[in-house]
Amino acid sequence: EAQLSESGGGLVQRGGSLRLSCTASTFTLTNYAMNWVRQAPGKGLEWVSGISDSGGITYYADSVKGRFTISRDNSKKTLYLHMNSLRVEDTAVYYCAIWGVYTDSFDPWGQGTLVTVSS
Amino acid sequence: SYELTQPPSVSVSPGQTASITCSGDKLADKNNCWYQQKPGQSPVLVIYQHTKRPSGIPERFSGSNSGNTATLTISGTQAMDEADYYCQAWDSGTWVFGGGTKLTVL
Repeated sequence: EAQLSESGGGLVQRGGSLRLSCTASTFTLTNYAMNWVRQAPGKGLEWVSGISDSGGITYYADSVKGRFTISRDNSKKTLYLHMNSLRVEDTAVYYCAIWGVYTDSFDPWGQGTLVTVSS
Repeated sequence: SYELTQPPSVSVSPGQTASITCSGDKLADKNNCWYQQKPGQSPVLVIYQHTKRPSGIPERFSGSNSGNTATLTISGTQAMDEADYYCQAWDSGTWVFGGGTKLTVL
């Protein structure tokens, strides 16, 4: 079974930066489009950003556009989310997920990494 | 921006049928999907492309989509189905999630 693992979360001050990573343990990410989704404490899911398998096409939610950058290093089999100018409202568990371009859905998801932005 | 609307909560008795709706403009024209999320766990895909079930998802989960409304139906609901359910669709370069529905099995 495909497994994804996120890392890089933690406590950061408002205005600070953080970089999240996502790797796969049982397969290579190289062949898949990927997404980041976040969930604030006690709230619902919010799509953050997506990237094509080659990395040539990226998508962003309006709430993070200009502050977050999604990227991937296929040689390192790693997906990244570079987060700058962090706000208190960015506090959430961040999940990476495979984007099934033939199924138009996210499957599987990682276990998530918590980002806490303090004021 | 595109919006998907779900009821905040749905209750069902064990063994009965639960229906969770998701409304959005011309939703039937989009490939919507559904996720299940249990407390402390990551979301799991249960329905994609309106009606298809991934391998490993029980047959009691089914989906339909007509007009502006998609429906997730759980037949013979079990206690283990108690969870939050989210619909999702793609619109104009962005993914959109519904607000989520808490399914309570009483």
